[in-house]
Amino acid sequence: QVQLQESGPGLVNPSGTLSLTCAVSGGSIASSDWWSWLRQPPGKGLEWIGDIYHSGSTYYNSSLGSRATISVDKSKNQFSLKLSSVTAADTAVYYCARRGAVGGHHSFDYWGQGTLVTVSS
Amino acid sequence: DIQMTQSPSSLSASVGDRVTITCRASQGISNYLAWFQQKPGKAPKSLIYAASSLQSGVPSKFSASGSGTDFTLTISNLQPEDFATYYCQQYNFYPLTFGGGTKVEIE
Repeated sequence: QVQLQESGPGLVNPSGTLSLTCAVSGGSIASSDWWSWLRQPPGKGLEWIGDIYHSGSTYYNSSLGSRATISVDKSKNQFSLKLSSVTAADTAVYYCARRGAVGGHHSFDYWGQGTLVTVSS
Repeated sequence: DIQMTQSPSSLSASVGDRVTITCRASQGISNYLAWFQQKPGKAPKSLIYAASSLQSGVPSKFSASGSGTDFTLTISNLQPEDFATYYCQQYNFYPLTFGGGTKVEIE
């Protein structure tokens, strides 16, 4: 059973950089799956932030401009998110998730429990 | 970006009812569609992938269909644990996008 666990500061200063890590257990990050970050502002819907493959290939949501950076550390079986120049609008529960490969489909199958990040001074 | 439109945004139903939620994509996405259930304070739970395939461990009371632009999720024999918010999501094109959600409430 694959498990994902987010970690990182729960409070970030405006204009600062949000940094989160997702530790993967029960499976290898070097598998044929994509690894994703998503977020959900309080009381709102889900927003995909970006994907990374173990090779380092990435895709990002252009709505974030160039503020998001996702990286992978295969030696630690984890991947990370950095979001720069944050504002109060970036306050959200942040989730990491796996897009598992099944029959040509890469759909979200495993999720972390989520971590609330508040942007405030 | 592909817009995903869910309807209704909320519905009230009773235990034992059968409910159907619809999801429409702004352009064709073949069958690259997933459905999720989310309860308050919890992470989303994956229910369906490839428009109609159940994720492992998901009960058969959940069924889904569709292809192209129009999709449905049906929940049979509603039980108290099924009252939640349901989201559709397309993964055919980047950026991956979600519908706005359908809140299923107890009548």
